[in-house]
Amino acid sequence: GQNIDQPTEMTATEGAIVQINCTYQTSGFNGLFWYQQHAGEAPTFLSYNVLDGLEEKGRFSSFLSRSKGYSYLLLKELQMKDSASYLCAVRDTAQAGTALIFGKGTTLSVSS
Amino acid sequence: EAGVVQSPRYKIIEKKQPVAFWCNPISGHNTLYWYRQNLGQGPELLIRYENEEAVDDSQLPKDRFSAERLKGVDSTLKIQPAELGDSAVYLCASSLGQGSYEQYFGPGTRLTVT
Repeated sequence: GQNIDQPTEMTATEGAIVQINCTYQTSGFNGLFWYQQHAGEAPTFLSYNVLDGLEEKGRFSSFLSRSKGYSYLLLKELQMKDSASYLCAVRDTAQAGTALIFGKGTTLSVSS
Repeated sequence: EAGVVQSPRYKIIEKKQPVAFWCNPISGHNTLYWYRQNLGQGPELLIRYENEEAVDDSQLPKDRFSAERLKGVDSTLKIQPAELGDSAVYLCASSLGQGSYEQYFGPGTRLTVT
């Protein structure tokens, strides 16, 4: 994950909105992904962006700016079950073909 | 539809011992990945298969790690001999193919080397 940066930890309260930022550097960008990973479980797919703009899916939205090498994941109406690690990953065809290059993850803690 | 299946879920071995992990991808998924995830880190690719062919194994420590995907379905990842630094979660993922963007992950095998 040396080319992908995201905050290590974030905290928020139930019902709030939180934005998790991710910056990246690639030579063959072909998509940015967000995954959710609860402790001890497998990563699960949340969103995919390949073009600039906002993708909305229920309470979760993801934004991409390719010129800035920047993405964010927006979580609305936070629930306790949203406490998890959020992984930003890019597909860089120059480095890894169709495989994903992951950041270290952002641990989100939601409190009541 | 069944997800990606991995076994065992947990494995504890002494250093210098061999260990093997097994993965059964989602039916029809041609692409299979093995990732390693260290504590507090994101997953890192070890090897990628397109059907039965290993098309990217540049990150696989070939002196002790080996993998195979016979008949382009199930895959096995082996470590021999294991070292203390190999303690991690080994994740298998699959996707339909190069045109498909979504990867589905299995639950992983948590390896502890003592």
